[in-house]
Amino acid sequence: QSALTQPVSVSGSPGQSITISCTGTSSDVGGYNYVSWYLQHPGRAPKVLIYDVTNRPSGISNRFSGSKSGNTASLTISGLQAEDEADYYCSSYTSRSTLGVFGSGTKVTVI
Amino acid sequence: QVLLQESGPGLVKPSQTLSLTCSVSGGSISSGNYFWGWIRQPAGKGLEWIGRIHSSGATSYNTSLIGRVTISLDTSKNQFSLRLSSVTAADTAIYFCVGGAYSNSYVDPWGQGTLVTVSA
Repeated sequence: QSALTQPVSVSGSPGQSITISCTGTSSDVGGYNYVSWYLQHPGRAPKVLIYDVTNRPSGISNRFSGSKSGNTASLTISGLQAEDEADYYCSSYTSRSTLGVFGSGTKVTVI
Repeated sequence: QVLLQESGPGLVKPSQTLSLTCSVSGGSISSGNYFWGWIRQPAGKGLEWIGRIHSSGATSYNTSLIGRVTISLDTSKNQFSLRLSSVTAADTAIYFCVGGAYSNSYVDPWGQGTLVTVSA
């Protein structure tokens, strides 16, 4: 199962908004509303930010939002903060595996 | 709040079997409709599912690892385990134990992760 495609890196200045894309196929991202996003700081375990395309678990800032169009899902971070500098991974249900599939990961830099 | 903690050798020789255990606290691994699994991450790379086991004992494995991987539950100790045989340097990674409600599409909680190096 090939990884979902994400940009290698995205950068922004404090206070700006950035968007990370996650491109798959009709067998995963495009076919189901089961896209989730994870944040991973260096040396730490990933943490879920968004699930089912647009939903935030309790405790997650509303600066994080998710959306989907066709085979591409997106994570938008508004009001970028220094603490947002981390790696971000998308994940999707896929008809090709009971385990789901992860994205290739995006490094966010706050400049 | 369910917490997970990995344990096991940090160094495994090539061709041998990697064995890790995940201790679960704050909940029972045999109650409810939950899954328990393992995800790994080579240094500087992305996340890869190894496999998972339902609280009923049913398993799902990454097709690329079938034949080498076994995930099992130990309800008496509230733990679950990973065994990966015939390891090579390509199996060197941080190994995370994970859990989640079967009705959810996402993984939560995660253990802190443990580095396993395959080297002679």
